[in-house]
Amino acid sequence: DAKTTQPPSMDCAEGRAANLPCNHSTISGNEYVYWYRQIHSQGPQYIIHGLKNNETNEMASLIITEDRKSSTLILPHATLRDTAVYYCIVRVDYGGSQGNLIFGKGTKLSVKP
Amino acid sequence: DSGVTQTPKHLITATGQRVTLRCSPRSGDLSVYWYQQSLDQGLQFLIHYYNGEERAKGNILERFSAQQFPDLHSELNLSSLELGDSALYFCASSLTLRREQFFGPGTRLTVL
Repeated sequence: DAKTTQPPSMDCAEGRAANLPCNHSTISGNEYVYWYRQIHSQGPQYIIHGLKNNETNEMASLIITEDRKSSTLILPHATLRDTAVYYCIVRVDYGGSQGNLIFGKGTKLSVKP
Repeated sequence: DSGVTQTPKHLITATGQRVTLRCSPRSGDLSVYWYQQSLDQGLQFLIHYYNGEERAKGNILERFSAQQFPDLHSELNLSSLELGDSALYFCASSLTLRREQFFGPGTRLTVL
């Protein structure tokens, strides 16, 4: 079972920031938080990941709370093309990790004009 | 474009048949993962290969098998197909076990 909880759906106005929350209250110290998205039936797309520090790349920012029990993915200026299902995944990144991703149901983000 | 290619894009076949799905990972990636996405089960991990060796199995049926070849491409073989095997099949690749995965466009399998 997925170790994360996400709202099933969210709406966002085009041009505004989209803030997608994720709860991962049972996260272990060696587990990273990963975000992927899937546009319609395309292959999932990697967005960003982090351990405990906030991260930013060209696509998004990831804010992880100090206790690491929750995080927020921020799309700073959402466009219609950002409409997708967003998955928050926790994964061990070293040691005996198998590396596979466990997907939950994600959040369906609808960006509206 | 993730750099991961999958063929064919679409496959329509009948129950009881056998099919082979092919995946070419990004250049240099050693890990290949296979996932199945059906309407009722969501995205589920099937199997993982690293540099030619099987590393992990997920919810993969005994009728399904996979392999990774010396050139690192991978094939997923599905046999004795049933209606319930109709789904999108994705492969993903990563440089190592510990890096982000990049997904291919998928193969849509329809079993009639």
